[in-house]
Amino acid sequence: EAGVTQFPSHSVIEKGQTVTLRCDPISGHDNLYWYRRVMGKEIKFLLHFVKESKQDESGMPNNRFLAERTGGTYSTLKVQPAELEDSGVYFCASSPLTGLRYGYTFGSGTRLTVV
Amino acid sequence: GESVGLHLPTLSVQEGDNSIINCAYSNSASDYFIWYKQESGKGPQFIIDIRSNMDKRQGQRVTVLLNKTVKHLSLQIAATQPGDSAVYFCAENRGYGNKLVFGAGTILRVKS
Repeated sequence: EAGVTQFPSHSVIEKGQTVTLRCDPISGHDNLYWYRRVMGKEIKFLLHFVKESKQDESGMPNNRFLAERTGGTYSTLKVQPAELEDSGVYFCASSPLTGLRYGYTFGSGTRLTVV
Repeated sequence: GESVGLHLPTLSVQEGDNSIINCAYSNSASDYFIWYKQESGKGPQFIIDIRSNMDKRQGQRVTVLLNKTVKHLSLQIAATQPGDSAVYFCAENRGYGNKLVFGAGTILRVKS
């Protein structure tokens, strides 16, 4: 079974540019989450999809961040325009809709550097 | 507000010794807790979990203890190995499928 896949693994962009991160969850996982870790701090929740619907987007920092999950499969997280404070590692995780075994499976993350 | 925090940011142990990583949480309504290990360049990797109706759970070389009275969670690693060196995060959850709230993380360094 393939795990959660994220790409790119690294992205370096200039302030003001746009970046789109992609996450492919484990097949069949209806729950999809985005988190980020900024400057070595704790991993913070951004938002949660159930299938294609946004279940909880309370962690989205501002309207420069836009997440989508068309068709309830992969998800994208767009940052436009990027600011310096957006630098960090963005993680995606998925879990099945029912049952909870082995927690939430995380991808390897996308390291975003805004210069 | 909700918070999950760790007492120690860095823990250094000798190879073969036991490690104990601690975590305090503040949301008494949390009913599910997970320990994750994160190695450089990788995402958080599930280690062990525990539900609030338990106070202890054991895995392979790892044990998680939950003390709901003082809202404390700990991860014990037996016979620590160099491959255990990583950042360890505790996370709490309230209700299946809901978001995880992570602590700041503890760096575990294993000396050979």
